Amino acid sequence: NAGVMQNPRHLVRRRGQEARLRCSPMKGHSHVYWYRQLPEEGLKFMVYLQKENIIDESGMPKERFSAEFPKEGPSILRIQQVVRGDSAAYFCASSERTQQVSSYNEQFFGPGTRLTVL
Amino acid sequence: GENVEQHPSTLSVQEGDSAVIKCTYSDSASNYFPWYKQELGKRPQLIIDIRSNVGEKKDQRIAVTLNKTAKHFSLHITETQPEDSAVYFCAASRGNDMRFGAGTRLTVKP
Repeated sequence: NAGVMQNPRHLVRRRGQEARLRCSPMKGHSHVYWYRQLPEEGLKFMVYLQKENIIDESGMPKERFSAEFPKEGPSILRIQQVVRGDSAAYFCASSERTQQVSSYNEQFFGPGTRLTVL
Repeated sequence: GENVEQHPSTLSVQEGDSAVIKCTYSDSASNYFPWYKQELGKRPQLIIDIRSNVGEKKDQRIAVTLNKTAKHFSLHITETQPEDSAVYFCAASRGNDMRFGAGTRLTVKP
C-alpha cells in the first residue's frame, strides 16, 4: 500500500498564476480531506470530499479556491490567481468510508505540497 | 460544527520529565479523538487515539485520557526524549468529520 500520495511536493508560482495540487488517496479510501498549514501554524480544515461530491467546504475561501474528486483520478485542489498569502503547505488526508456517524475512521496524511508564491 | 482548543501552544521540558497537552471539544457527539505528531517538514502521523467508549489508553511512554462529561482529553508523554520534540495535534471527530486543535510545539532539552 503506497499510502496517500501528493504531487507536486514543491510548487512555485508567480502572483496571478494558477496552482493545481493533486492527491491520490490510499487504496480503498473514498474520502479525501484538504488542509492548509501556514508556517508555524496548525492544520486548517479546507474541504472534505467523496467521489464526485463535496461534503463540506466550510473551510474553503469563497473566491479563487476550488476542489474536486472525480470518479476517476486524483483529487485536485485548484487555486486561481495566487497571491503571496497562499504560500503554505497543503496536506491531503484520506480515510475509509464510514457507514454511520457513530463509527470512526483514522485519517492518513500525504507528504504535503509546499506552495511558494513569488 | 466542532471546535477544538489545545493548550499549551508551546511546551519545553527537560529530558526525562513528563509532558502533558490538553484539548477541549465542543460537539458532544464527537466519538473519536486521535493525536498526531508532526516533525519539522514532515506529514502529521497518528501516534495514539481513543474512542469515546474508553476513558484511558496507554502505549509505552504515551497515554491519552478522555473525560466525556467535561469534553476534554489529554496526551501524556512520560520519560521524554529529545526525539519527542515535534508539534503535536489533537483532533475530535464524529464519523468522517474531523477537526484539529492548533497544535503544541514540544521541545525536549537534553
